[in-house]
Amino acid sequence: DAGVIQSPRHEVTEMGQEVTLRCKPISGHNSLFWYRQTMMRGLELLIYFNNNVPIDDSGMPEDRFSAKMPNASFSTLKIQPSEPRDSAVYFCASSFRTSYNEQFFGPGTRLTVL
Amino acid sequence: EDQVTQSPEALRLQEGESSSLNCSYTVSGLRGLFWYRQDPGKGPEFLFTLYSAGEEKEKERLKATLTKKESFLHITAPKPEDSATYLCAVQAGGANNLFFGTGTRLTVIP
Repeated sequence: DAGVIQSPRHEVTEMGQEVTLRCKPISGHNSLFWYRQTMMRGLELLIYFNNNVPIDDSGMPEDRFSAKMPNASFSTLKIQPSEPRDSAVYFCASSFRTSYNEQFFGPGTRLTVL
Repeated sequence: EDQVTQSPEALRLQEGESSSLNCSYTVSGLRGLFWYRQDPGKGPEFLFTLYSAGEEKEKERLKATLTKKESFLHITAPKPEDSATYLCAVQAGGANNLFFGTGTRLTVIP
């Protein structure tokens, strides 16, 4: 079975540009999570969805960040406008929501904002 | 405030030299403690879930244990391929999101 799929794997952009990261969760999973990982702060949850509905977006750093999940097999994380401090690895993870759920991570998108 | 602290930050072992990694936590209503392995340039890979104090789980050279305040990941006779960053995460309260520690970077020297 295919795992979580993320695209692009690497993104280099200039400050002020719009960036869109994409994620396809594991088929049958009904929870989806977006994380950001940096050396300084480790792995931080940005937002998560249950059944395509955003449940907790308290980790989204500012209004420049937005996430959508239009259907069960696709999600996007958008940054507009991007800033150098947004440079990080962004991970998408999915799980089948139960009381105790393991999350399965994608390979990540390495974002560099110049 | 929920906290997860992992120690040490980095650990270098000779091949075959057993050791333990620590994950201490302060959360309200622990529902599960998770261990992940992360290789450079890859996403975290799920290893174990522990649900209650006293529980133990094993996988090859790895054994995870849980008490009311901390979890240990024991590595027995490690091999160079065990080199990775090991992340601990907790699930607490009514949410199904995970809160991660900053990890222990393990290097096993041949």
